Amino acid sequence: GENVEQHPSTLSVQEGDSAVIKCTYSDSASNYFPWYKQELGKRPQLIIDIRSNVGEKKDQRIAVTLNKTAKHFSLHITETQPEDSAVYFCAASIRGGGFKTIFGAGTRLFVKA
Amino acid sequence: KAGVTQTPRYLIKTRGQQVTLSCSPISGHRSVSWYQQTPGQGLQFLFEYFSETQRNKGNFPGRFSGRQFSNSRSEMNVSTLELGDSALYLCASSLGTSPEFNEQFFGPGTRLTVL
Repeated sequence: GENVEQHPSTLSVQEGDSAVIKCTYSDSASNYFPWYKQELGKRPQLIIDIRSNVGEKKDQRIAVTLNKTAKHFSLHITETQPEDSAVYFCAASIRGGGFKTIFGAGTRLFVKA
Repeated sequence: KAGVTQTPRYLIKTRGQQVTLSCSPISGHRSVSWYQQTPGQGLQFLFEYFSETQRNKGNFPGRFSGRQFSNSRSEMNVSTLELGDSALYLCASSLGTSPEFNEQFFGPGTRLTVL
């Protein structure tokens, strides 16, 4: 079945350093890869996404890369700040009728001031 | 524009009981998806409804069911509750059904505790 693996489960960085979260998906029909940030006690919010016809996308301090051949995609956060501390989820959506979005297990990011 | 709302926010039930959770999408949104969130498991896809039709379903037992009304509000029902059903249940709404063109907006969730 469809599966998204996410690593690491926990990541601790010093303020100003970079953070990288990696995901692997199993279903080659996946064509859309969103990333969500969930702060403690809050709902997940979309922070960046990438479509299967694009290899890289950047939005200020956040970038996402996609390697379709290897079925890998990654989130890169540069110049991390304490407010970046949260749980980050990668996801893969399957092409076809309707939403079927498979999420990774999440990465808890701690940014130490 | 009001966001996605879910009721109730907290629920305590005992094993064997059944429960119904409600989700009101953003006005104009016709797709509603449901997810189960547990520590360490991330968000597990339950099902998605569009125009009162279930279009996708995750790998959950038949005890989990849902429906969508003509005003796009959705309910999910869990029968014969088990301890393992304790989780945060999130719904998300979007305008349409193509994930890459329609951002999902999540509700605050319903925290279900099964004793």
